[in-house]
Amino acid sequence: DAGITQSPRYKITETGRQVTLMCHQTWSHSYMFWYRQDLGHGLRLIYYSAAADITDKGEVPDGYVVSRSKTENFPLTLESATRSQTSVYFCASSVSAGTFRQYFGPGTRLTVT
Amino acid sequence: AQTVTQSQPEMSVQEAETVTLSCTYDTSENNYYLFWYKQPPSRQMILVIRQEAYKQQNATENRFSVNFQKAAKSFSLKISDSQLGDTAMYFCAFMKFTQGGSEKLVFGKGTKLTVNP
Repeated sequence: DAGITQSPRYKITETGRQVTLMCHQTWSHSYMFWYRQDLGHGLRLIYYSAAADITDKGEVPDGYVVSRSKTENFPLTLESATRSQTSVYFCASSVSAGTFRQYFGPGTRLTVT
Repeated sequence: AQTVTQSQPEMSVQEAETVTLSCTYDTSENNYYLFWYKQPPSRQMILVIRQEAYKQQNATENRFSVNFQKAAKSFSLKISDSQLGDTAMYFCAFMKFTQGGSEKLVFGKGTKLTVNP
């Protein structure tokens, strides 16, 4: 049972480059989320998806793009990375009813130089 | 919009003692959920405990319990018999209830807890 995985775990990229962070879950959860964690801010929602082909903006969506062509995958793309996007990124998933518990991936530490 | 405030950036406790982490929130919603997540140095986000707003009884999970005061919009976490493995960042989080399904989590900024031997 792989659960929810993220790749890569660590990434260093240069300002202006495009980078994609991958998220994969094996539970067939309907909902998936992307959060970023910054010192002094806790976790903030970037984008979320209620199902395949349905996505919506969160609190801090600027500079990010998401897609969800398959239920199990929810990639996050930084179209032109900036230093302010240096952060730890967490993907999460949850079922659409019941406990509403969100299960988090291990996180990706992204550094933009 | 909902906000979550954790007023204690850092706390420390001696092993085997009890510690309480504070959390307050602001919302106009009547139905919602509250969570405490633990983030150890491994960075993994681990659910510690969950409380439904419609339940008056405080949630408990082994050594972890909450004091949920709905009118005061307060949701504190009590850790009894603290263990070295409890050393971590603790995040309080809010989720509003919707019939349609899951909703986003709104997090506080976290409290760094250190358990000393």
